[in-house]
Amino acid sequence: QSALTQPPSASGSPGQSVTISCTGTSSDVGNYNYVSWYQQHPGKAPRLMIYDVTKRPSGVPDRFSGSKSGNTASLTVSGLQAEDEADYYCSSYAGSNNLIFGGGTKLTVL
Amino acid sequence: EVQLVESGGGLVQPGGSLRLSCVVSGVTYRINWMHWVRQAPGKGLEWLSRSGNNVGYAESAKGRFTISRDDAKNTLYLQMNSLRVEDTALYYCAAGEGAYIGSGSKIDYWGQGILVTVSS
Repeated sequence: QSALTQPPSASGSPGQSVTISCTGTSSDVGNYNYVSWYQQHPGKAPRLMIYDVTKRPSGVPDRFSGSKSGNTASLTVSGLQAEDEADYYCSSYAGSNNLIFGGGTKLTVL
Repeated sequence: EVQLVESGGGLVQPGGSLRLSCVVSGVTYRINWMHWVRQAPGKGLEWLSRSGNNVGYAESAKGRFTISRDDAKNTLYLQMNSLRVEDTALYYCAAGEGAYIGSGSKIDYWGQGILVTVSS
C-alpha cells in the first residue's frame, strides 16, 4: 500500500496560519475517520497532535486543528510560532488492521 | 504517563535475525495497543505492526517480522528475520490508549527508538 501523499514542505511567518494536506484513497482516509497527525522535531520521537481527524490530546495547543474532506485530510496551524517548526506526518487506518503514514511535511517558520 | 524503552538493536548481516524488545512502564493499564514503527535515516515514518484486540502487519513486514507481547513482563517484542539492507532504520516502540473502535489507529506514546543496521 502506498504512503499517504503530503507536500514535502510548507512555510509561514510567525502569527500566520498554514495548512498541510494529506491525500489518501477511498480505502483509507476517505473511508475512516481515524486520521492522526504527528509532530517530530529533529532527533526526537514523534508526538501525537491530532487524532480521529479533529480531536486534540490533552496538552496540545488549540492552535492545531484537523479536518477532512473526501480522501484528503488537513492539519492547520494557526498563529505560527517558532517552536512549530518541525516535520509533520499524517496517518490513517487503512482497513485489515493496517495503518499507513504520509511521507511527511517539513514546516518552516520564516 | 507511560514510558517505553527499546533494546536489542545493533548491527546484523543481510539475511540475519534480530529480536527487539520494548519494556512498558508507568500507567500501563491505559494501554490497549502496541505498535512498531520505523524510520530509515533521513526518511519518513513507516508503520510496521500493531498488537491489541487483533494483530496487523504492513506489507513490508508480513512473513518476515512477528510481533508478540508478554503482558506479565510488560514487554513487547519484534522478531525480525531475513533482514535486508533496506531494513536499516530507527525502530520505535509505541503505544495507544483507548478501547473504542478506531483507538488502535492513534499512537499516544513513543519510545526513543533503537537503531538497527543491516550491513555486511
